[in-house]
Amino acid sequence: GNSVTQMEGPVTLSEEAFLTINCTYTATGYPSLFWYVQYPGEGLQLLLKATKADDKGSNKGFEATYRKETTSFHLEKGSVQVSDSAVYFCALSEHSGGGADGLTFGKGTHLIIQP
Amino acid sequence: SAVISQKPSRDICQRGTSLTIQCQVDSQVTMMFWYRQQPGQSLTLIATANQGSEATYESGFVIDKFPISRPNLTFSTLTVSNMSPEDSSIYLCSARAGDTQYFGPGTRLTVL
Repeated sequence: GNSVTQMEGPVTLSEEAFLTINCTYTATGYPSLFWYVQYPGEGLQLLLKATKADDKGSNKGFEATYRKETTSFHLEKGSVQVSDSAVYFCALSEHSGGGADGLTFGKGTHLIIQP
Repeated sequence: SAVISQKPSRDICQRGTSLTIQCQVDSQVTMMFWYRQQPGQSLTLIATANQGSEATYESGFVIDKFPISRPNLTFSTLTVSNMSPEDSSIYLCSARAGDTQYFGPGTRLTVL
């Protein structure tokens, strides 16, 4: 079956530091890949996505590149802010002949940015 | 995109009772899903809500415990039946628009 593995936190960084949150996946086909973010007290929001190999998703200064050869989708940001403190979830969706398929999520990485 | 609302936003229930959660999407969507997020955990797919037919449940989830309705393309309900404290979780509704799933704000359920 499908699975997503991401680094577990909490990850604590200082403001303006470089961020990498690792994510690797296992899938039988060619999934779409996503990063979702959950800010304190809020619901789950889509941060970025990539639907095929070598695609780069980007949003709010965050980037992730779909690497089929390493089955990875690592999240990066060049300079984090206190407002980036949240839980980040890596997820995949595998489409199979038009049938329904939900998302498979990683366990989430709690990111804490200190001023 | 899709904007999703859920109600109630939270509830505290007694053991043995049932709670029905409603999910409304602002546009017609083909696929709707229900997830559970247990305290401190990731999201787990409960089932796919199929319009006009029975829901498709993931391993470990059964219709008797989590009956789901999907009467049209914008609305679905999830019932948590015969609740126990282990059912205390956040329940999230999701809808797919294109190749992206959007999530509702969740229903925080506490079972005493």
